Amino acid sequence: EAGVAQSPRYKIIEKRQSVAFWCNPISGHATLYWYQQILGQGPKLLIQFQNNGVVDDSQLPKDRFSAERLKGVDSTLKIQPAKLEDSAVYLCASSLEQLRDGYTFGSGTRLTVV
Amino acid sequence: SQQGEEDPQALSIQEGENATMNCSYKTSINNLQWYRQNSGRGLVHLILIRSNEREKHSGRLRVTLDTSKKSSSLLITASRAADTASYFCATTGNQFYFGTGTSLTVIP
Repeated sequence: EAGVAQSPRYKIIEKRQSVAFWCNPISGHATLYWYQQILGQGPKLLIQFQNNGVVDDSQLPKDRFSAERLKGVDSTLKIQPAKLEDSAVYLCASSLEQLRDGYTFGSGTRLTVV
Repeated sequence: SQQGEEDPQALSIQEGENATMNCSYKTSINNLQWYRQNSGRGLVHLILIRSNEREKHSGRLRVTLDTSKKSSSLLITASRAADTASYFCATTGNQFYFGTGTSLTVIP
């Protein structure tokens, strides 16, 4: 089966600019996660979707980050405006069943804010 | 927030030796998963152990879970240079959280 697709692979922006990341999960996977991984740290959960509904966005900095999953398939994560500390790899993962199965991760988008 | 914490933070061994990594977590879980991440790449799911299981094997991997101590260990036997990567535990209870990771280096 095709994996989780993410784009772009790399992005460099200046602070205060906006950026958007895209994720296409494995077909049929109802659960979708966005993680932020800062260099040298473990992934930090930003938001979890179940189909097109948000299950948990408690760690999403909502003043600048937003995410949506229209039609319960693809998802986009947006940062506006970006700060230097947003430099990280943004990982998307999907799973067939919430919290019960292994998750498949995309290769991530490496964001550098200068 | 990080739910799990791996120990050691870094581990360096010779090819052919066994590597053991430990994970401690804070709250009750449904299952615990181990992932591998090669430098600059996404995470790869290795193995899942459910809260009612105590040990699980998959190829050269052996995972144990002690829910009374809120800890898990990952053993990689007969290590290979290709096993060089960071290893993370991830717990699923109410949410899905990752630990801080162990960086494993296998020297050929």
